[in-house]
Amino acid sequence: QQQVKQSPQSLIVQKGGISIINCAYENTAFDYFPWYQQFPGKGPALLIAIRPDVSEKKEGRFTISFNKSAKQFSLHIMDSQPGDSATYFCAASMSYRGSTLGRLYFGRGTQLTVWP
Amino acid sequence: EAQVTQNPRYLITVTGKKLTVTCSQNMNHEYMSWYRQDPGLGLRQIYYSMNVEVTDKGDVPEGYKVSRKEKRNFPLILESPSPNQTSLYFCASSPGRGRATGELFFGEGSRLTVL
Repeated sequence: QQQVKQSPQSLIVQKGGISIINCAYENTAFDYFPWYQQFPGKGPALLIAIRPDVSEKKEGRFTISFNKSAKQFSLHIMDSQPGDSATYFCAASMSYRGSTLGRLYFGRGTQLTVWP
Repeated sequence: EAQVTQNPRYLITVTGKKLTVTCSQNMNHEYMSWYRQDPGLGLRQIYYSMNVEVTDKGDVPEGYKVSRKEKRNFPLILESPSPNQTSLYFCASSPGRGRATGELFFGEGSRLTVL
């Protein structure tokens, strides 16, 4: 049973456009929602994360929108650049034994290609 | 340099031959975890450890063992590898208990092929 469902599987965007990746979850106990970016041959790296007490978080060109009632969250990349071409993973976790992380569930990933 | 180091980076082995993938972090992190990455399936958690001598199963623990005898090391053991364990494996660590951030720091990955 997939805990976090991510779409689309692949995305092609023109330079300067907006890239939008969506994720949905079922478990309302999740309280931490990170996005990771992965370049070929590298391990994933944290891009941005949000907790359910806020509806939006912005860091530079990257924004997470969070809809608690719909159990959905999305990543928006404004002014997409060729250097943003990578695989993006959403994830969800619930606090465990006083830590933010315990079981961490990842979506299946979105391969983003930004054309120059 | 703060990092998570995995070894080996690449390995081809045969069915049934026990192997260990080592993972070491130099950031004094409490939390460590192993993931496997397969095309179309994303990252799936194998095991995680909240601290020394504390380990828990993730999504896909079958066929794997771990141990956490020291804070910095978290080896992944395949007692009797099978072809369905052919995958790209990542070790990751995070500060852990009481920390505001849940950021995971990943290693470079270990590509394992089981023939």
